[in-house]
Amino acid sequence: DAKTTQPNSMESNEEEPVHLPCNHSTISGTDYIHWYRQLPSQGPEYVIHGLTSNVNNRMASLAIAEDRKSSTLILHRATLRDAAVYYCILFTGNQFYFGTGTSLTVIP
Amino acid sequence: EADIYQTPRYLVIGTGKKITLECSQTMGHDKMYWYQQDPGMELHLIHYSYGVNSTEKGDLSSESTVSRIRTEHFPLTLESARPSHTSQYLCASSEIGTTGTGELFFGEGSRLTVL
Repeated sequence: DAKTTQPNSMESNEEEPVHLPCNHSTISGTDYIHWYRQLPSQGPEYVIHGLTSNVNNRMASLAIAEDRKSSTLILHRATLRDAAVYYCILFTGNQFYFGTGTSLTVIP
Repeated sequence: EADIYQTPRYLVIGTGKKITLECSQTMGHDKMYWYQQDPGMELHLIHYSYGVNSTEKGDLSSESTVSRIRTEHFPLTLESARPSHTSQYLCASSEIGTTGTGELFFGEGSRLTVL
C-alpha cells in the first residue's frame, strides 16, 4: 500500500511559485515527512523534511497540515533546473517509503 | 556534494552471468541501502544494512544478495542474471536516526540490462 499519494505530473511557468501537494492520511505521530527530487539520469537528492511545523531552507519550503495528513512542497520561483520528479516520502519504522512522485515540468 | 559512488554506471550482460554492482561511500555512514527503480516508476527498497555484518531484505523481493564487510562498502550481487533483472539500481547511505532527522545520500545509479 502506498503511504503517500501525489499527482503524477504538474506544470509551472518559469519564475513562478510551485505548490506540490502530497497526501499521507495514514501517517503516525512519529513519522517524518521528507521530500526528495530526482533529476534525469541521477539518484534522488534531499530537498527538505519536517515533522509538525512548517520548514524553510534554501531550496524550498514545506507546509504541513495541522492534522499532518497532507503536506505541500513550495518552490518559490521555479527555474528550468527544477524540472524533476519530486518524491514525498514518509520516514517510518526506520525506513523511507517512496511514492510514485510528481513529475514537474517547468515552461520557459 | 555526496561522496557515494556506484560502478558500473551502465552494464549490458547476457542471461546467466554473475554480476556485482559496487557501492562505496566515504562519509562513514553506518546505514546503507539498495533501491531498485524501473523507468518512470517509484523506488523500491531491496536491501539495507545498519552496519558491518548487518544485512536485511527490503520490501521488494529480490534474487540479489548483499554483503557488508566494511563500513564504506556495500556490494550487490546477482548470481545468475535474467532479463527480469533489467532495471536501475540505486545505492544510498545515511546517518539518519530513528527520529527521522538527517538525509539519504544517493549514488548516481547502475543501469543494468540483461539480454
